[in-house]
Amino acid sequence: AQTIHQWPVAEIKAVGSPLSLGCTIKGKSSPNLYWYWQATGGTLQQLFYSITVGQVESVVQLNLSASRPKDDQFILSTEKLLLSHSGFYLCAWTQGNTEVFFGKGTRLTVV
Amino acid sequence: GDSVTQTEGLVTLTKGLPVMLNCTYQTTYSPFLFWYVQHLNEAPKLLLKSSTDNKRTEHQGFYATLHKSSSSFHLQKSSVQLSDSALYFCALSLDRGSALGRLHFGAGTQLIVIP
Repeated sequence: AQTIHQWPVAEIKAVGSPLSLGCTIKGKSSPNLYWYWQATGGTLQQLFYSITVGQVESVVQLNLSASRPKDDQFILSTEKLLLSHSGFYLCAWTQGNTEVFFGKGTRLTVV
Repeated sequence: GDSVTQTEGLVTLTKGLPVMLNCTYQTTYSPFLFWYVQHLNEAPKLLLKSSTDNKRTEHQGFYATLHKSSSSFHLQKSSVQLSDSALYFCALSLDRGSALGRLHFGAGTQLIVIP
């Protein structure tokens, strides 16, 4: 069975500090991977997607970047956090158009 | 462009009453529609999905029918429970022959069930 793991579970960071969020998927080779962002009580905004190692496409940048260093790993990062980066970050994978599977998310609070 | 509209931001109901959450979509491609449910501080989980016109799909007491003629996929339940309180998202995926599976999410409907 496929499992998706996100780290950390939660972060409190200062404005201007760097950030790195990670996501690993096990049990699925060459998955399509996604980063979503959700403001509190808000909708899910797709940020990035990747269909293969080393290749990442941006949907909405929000002064963030993403990388896929390994087939099963997807990283979201920034060198300088803004207050507007606060929210819930979700990593997800999919098989075509059937269903999107979400990780448990990272709650980020920028202070 | 492709989009999903959920007209209710907040629905408050008494336990035991029926509910319908509206979802309409816009696309020129062949659609896959989904309903996701998100409880507080949890990730969204798939509730229902469909790509078949006029066929009812059901899960955990919830049901929905994709109507391509009206571009709708409304979520219904005949008797809501306290545990149904959550944020519900309608989402659209498009069959473009692509492996991307990108989802367009609606704004979400917060359902609150009171005793």
